[in-house]
Amino acid sequence: KNEVEQSPQNLTAQEGEFITINCSYSVGISALHWLQQHPGGGIVSLFMLSSGKKKHGRLIATINIQEKHSSLHITASHPRDSAVYICAVYKGAQKLVFGQGTRLTINP
Amino acid sequence: EPEVTQTPSHQVTQMGQEVILRCVPISNHLYFYWYRQILGQKVEFLVSFYNNEISEKSEIFDDQFSVERPDGSNFTLKIRSTKLEDSAMYFCASRVDRDTEAFFGQGTRLTVV
Repeated sequence: KNEVEQSPQNLTAQEGEFITINCSYSVGISALHWLQQHPGGGIVSLFMLSSGKKKHGRLIATINIQEKHSSLHITASHPRDSAVYICAVYKGAQKLVFGQGTRLTINP
Repeated sequence: EPEVTQTPSHQVTQMGQEVILRCVPISNHLYFYWYRQILGQKVEFLVSFYNNEISEKSEIFDDQFSVERPDGSNFTLKIRSTKLEDSAMYFCASRVDRDTEAFFGQGTRLTVV
């Protein structure tokens, strides 16, 4: 069983829609990363959080430590948001354990 | 904005050859990592490095792999005798300390033929 599960695996939406990607994990963690991976392969960190909620522009990330669940929201989605979004958790101090990613496609 | 730099972006090597993947972490960062992503699969942790020594490594990181910080800026991953299954995208990452976010390089795509 994967220690980090994301849903959905694939998501297609129209420009302007509100997007939610979910992440559940089964291990104790010290923090959680949301990452973005574009078709070229590079990985960009969007957020690291260990409690509560963070907002950056149109992106919002929340985490519920008790429920072992995090969500990434995108408001007013745009075609340039199309990418793979990855949830990764710090299992222990150093080791990031990654989810399989959610492939998001925003159509104009 | 400071960034993690990896070279080369793409390397093709023959099976059995040694390869060295290079990374320049962000200058004030103290924790360094290598990850890999086989095509179509999720990213996997390889090794973490702090204070000039390995702090944690995965089962993948066997005797064929080694890491080094040869000077104040570079952080390298060496694969001594490459196998076909080593073909993957390799990512370097760094962070200031254990409570801050990690920054990733653009990756090196290694193809073993």
